[in-house]
Amino acid sequence: QKEVEQNSGPLSVPEGAIASLNCTYSDRGSQSFFWYRQYSGKSPELIMSIYSNGDKEDGRFTAQLNKASQYVSLLIRDSQPSDSATYLCAVNGYSGGGADGLTFGKGTHLIIQP
Amino acid sequence: EPEVTQTPSHQVTQMGQEVILRCVPISNHLYFYWYRQILGQKVEFLVSFYNNEISEKSEIFDDQFSVERPDGSNFTLKIRSTKLEDSAMYFCASSEGGEYQPQHFGDGTRLSIL
Repeated sequence: QKEVEQNSGPLSVPEGAIASLNCTYSDRGSQSFFWYRQYSGKSPELIMSIYSNGDKEDGRFTAQLNKASQYVSLLIRDSQPSDSATYLCAVNGYSGGGADGLTFGKGTHLIIQP
Repeated sequence: EPEVTQTPSHQVTQMGQEVILRCVPISNHLYFYWYRQILGQKVEFLVSFYNNEISEKSEIFDDQFSVERPDGSNFTLKIRSTKLEDSAMYFCASSEGGEYQPQHFGDGTRLSIL
């Protein structure tokens, strides 16, 4: 049974600060890792993807992956009130079929305080 | 930017009835998925579909559920003999394929079983 764990929060961060979101996963065979943002009542929106150990930066977002520790994180720099949402960590295994479903964590509710 | 479209946005059905949820994936994508999210819970994988057949399914996707690609653009999820616990948001997603390609989600269909 694949598991993805996230602290549900809420995580409260002042505007302009760095928000740090964390995720651990259970399946060592997992190959790709995604961060989605979900506003209340809306669908998941892709923020970042990462496949190799290390950091990947895209604008104000940095994803970090450590496969040895089975740990993924997302940093949001210069946090804005519009970043307030639930952030979902999703993990894709590889069964060889190429169409694996994502396993999602429960999400971390982030609140950016103006 | 291309997007996944889902109809209807909200479906209300009496318990025991059949429902069909519709999705138009992004046109050049080859892999299609259905997920559900019960209110307040995490996003759960139901089924993936590739080359006109089911590629992977979760234990949630039992005989009550079926998927079909009736033509070159639509992808449908049929739920037979609906139960109260089928009430949830149902998301369709599509990807270009392979475990390294991100999945893009539609806006979802809110299914309410009375």
